[in-house]
Amino acid sequence: GAGVSQSPSNKVTEKGKDVELRCDPISGHTALYWYRQSLGQGLEFLIYFQGNSAPDKSGLPSDRFSAERTGGSVSTLTIQRTQQEDSAVYLCASSILGQEQFFGPGTRLTVL
Amino acid sequence: GIQVEQSPPDLILQEGANSTLRCNFSDSVNNLQWFHQNPWGQLINLFYIPSGTKQNGRLSATTVATERYSLLYISSSQTTDSGVYFCEVSGSRLTFGEGTQLTVNP
Repeated sequence: GAGVSQSPSNKVTEKGKDVELRCDPISGHTALYWYRQSLGQGLEFLIYFQGNSAPDKSGLPSDRFSAERTGGSVSTLTIQRTQQEDSAVYLCASSILGQEQFFGPGTRLTVL
Repeated sequence: GIQVEQSPPDLILQEGANSTLRCNFSDSVNNLQWFHQNPWGQLINLFYIPSGTKQNGRLSATTVATERYSLLYISSSQTTDSGVYFCEVSGSRLTFGEGTQLTVNP
């Protein structure tokens, strides 16, 4: 079956613009996670959705970052008024609750 | 928050050698996973191992939750094993370690 997909694969934007990143999880996976990975660094947790529960937003770095998950499936991560320090690879993962995570290929965001 | 430390940070091996990677964590965790990030950036789940020992081919992992560490063993390493190996723990928050950069030379 299909794995986790993310779009776009690459996004170049100008400082101050808003961007939306999309994640399509594996069908049937109730948990969805967003992370970001800066160049040469480890992964930083951003936000976690589980079913209909309120998302765990504890990793979002600022109020410019938000995410939603519609219908328990597709998720969109929105970054408003992008800054150069937002440049990173944004990774999405999904899982069955409490089970192993499967990662998408990521979206490479470059803020000029 | 929980601290996750991986060692060594870098490791260079000759093809065929064995290695052990370590992940220490500072508090009780519910889950622990090992991932391999290939040179193209794709993260591949290796083991979901909150406790005990698992093996998959040349790879095996052991987590001793009571002592707050996990080990990843790579035997008969191959050049395709090169990349970064991360452990991730699920405690109060999902936390990744900084990774071990493995280079396997032919």
